Amino acid sequence: KNEVEQSPQNLTAQEGEFITINCSYSVGISALHWLQQHPGGGIVSLFMLSSGKKKHGRLIATINIQEKHSSLHITASHPRDSAVYICAAVAVGARQLTFGSGTQLTVLP
Amino acid sequence: GAVVSQHPSWVICKSGTSVKIECRSLDFQATTMFWYRQFPKQSLMLMATSNEGSKATYEQGVEKDKFLINHASLTLSTLTVTSAHPEDSSFYICSASGGRGDTQYFGPGTRLTVL
Repeated sequence: KNEVEQSPQNLTAQEGEFITINCSYSVGISALHWLQQHPGGGIVSLFMLSSGKKKHGRLIATINIQEKHSSLHITASHPRDSAVYICAAVAVGARQLTFGSGTQLTVLP
Repeated sequence: GAVVSQHPSWVICKSGTSVKIECRSLDFQATTMFWYRQFPKQSLMLMATSNEGSKATYEQGVEKDKFLINHASLTLSTLTVTSAHPEDSSFYICSASGGRGDTQYFGPGTRLTVL
């Protein structure tokens, strides 16, 4: 059974700070997703990774397959980045996502 | 990017009634759709996986007679909560995938409140 753990659970930052959220998983995976959920509940898919690194605007996601670890970085954080960030992994041979518990990010102006 | 819509975005109903939630992929064909529920301050929990034209696969502990899923076309899946009770109040989210290895695109969610 794949277990996905995120840290930290809660993170408060000042506007402009560099932010890192970590995700580790326990089994071999075919893909890892980073998702963003705003207070209204809607979910946006930020990245899907199977190796290496992806960048979109101020967001960067990396994954180390050997260490079974992924990180989401936010550069020059802004209050509008405040949301819950969730990592979710797809085990090899599966289609379902296994979700981490989420990281509540609050960026203060 | 691909867009998935859900309707309604919120619904309030009386205990004992049935509620239907629609999930549509607007600009791609979704061979697989997933239904999740999320309780406050908790992560998403997969309820069922549906493939177009076949019966849904339900996760352990999810009553298939209670949560009816229909995936009749490549762009539409419906979840019907039958004889809803207050404990069914939750946030229901669907996601759609175009094929193996493809990313899942999430709908905006439907908040169900059963009085």
